[in-house]
Amino acid sequence: AQSVTQPDIHITVSEGASLELRCNYSYGATPYLFWYVQSPGQGLQLLLKYFSGDTLVQGIKGFEAEFKRSQSSFNLRKPSVHWSDAAEYFCAVGINQAGTALIFGKGTTLSVSS
Amino acid sequence: EAEVAQSPRYKITEKSQAVAFWCDPISGHATLYWYRQILGQGPELLVQFQDESVVDDSQLPKDRFSAERLKGVDSTLKIQPAELGDSAMYLCASSLYADRPSTDTQYFGPGTRLTVL
Repeated sequence: AQSVTQPDIHITVSEGASLELRCNYSYGATPYLFWYVQSPGQGLQLLLKYFSGDTLVQGIKGFEAEFKRSQSSFNLRKPSVHWSDAAEYFCAVGINQAGTALIFGKGTTLSVSS
Repeated sequence: EAEVAQSPRYKITEKSQAVAFWCDPISGHATLYWYRQILGQGPELLVQFQDESVVDDSQLPKDRFSAERLKGVDSTLKIQPAELGDSAMYLCASSLYADRPSTDTQYFGPGTRLTVL
């Protein structure tokens, strides 16, 4: 069965520093991969998604993610973190079937220090 | 920009009571999902609709949970009776297509935070 692992429960980054959030998935074929962000008490907002093609995906708010098939990873990166980026980040995988639901990781909480 | 609407935003109830949540997806979206998110966890699918039909309700505790999307537009999720372990955020999401995964991005509503006392 497919699954998503986010190894880091909580990360603290200084404002202006770079960020990388890790995501590993388990799925036999090429998955559909997503990163969502959730601010406290809010729903999820899509940051970016990967379906096929270029393995480096650009998203909103200056985020990017790289799909590495050999490592079964889809890590999220940002070159310079802003205080407003503090939130919970979820990696998710969708399998290659029509109308499929997403399987989410447990999330990584990002704190930004000044 | 169109959004998924949910109400209420917060609900406090006592165990054994009935509760209901409402979701209005983005106009024209064929697929609707209900997820449950326990504090500190990622969302987990409860039920998925394609228009008015249930596509997947394998994770829905059917002894106490029910969901409907009668006209293929808005949807209601009901819990009866509520238990302490049902305390969670209930998220609704919608997507435009069900048969085109390359464009099947799910858009989430703000959620309903349920507390069962």
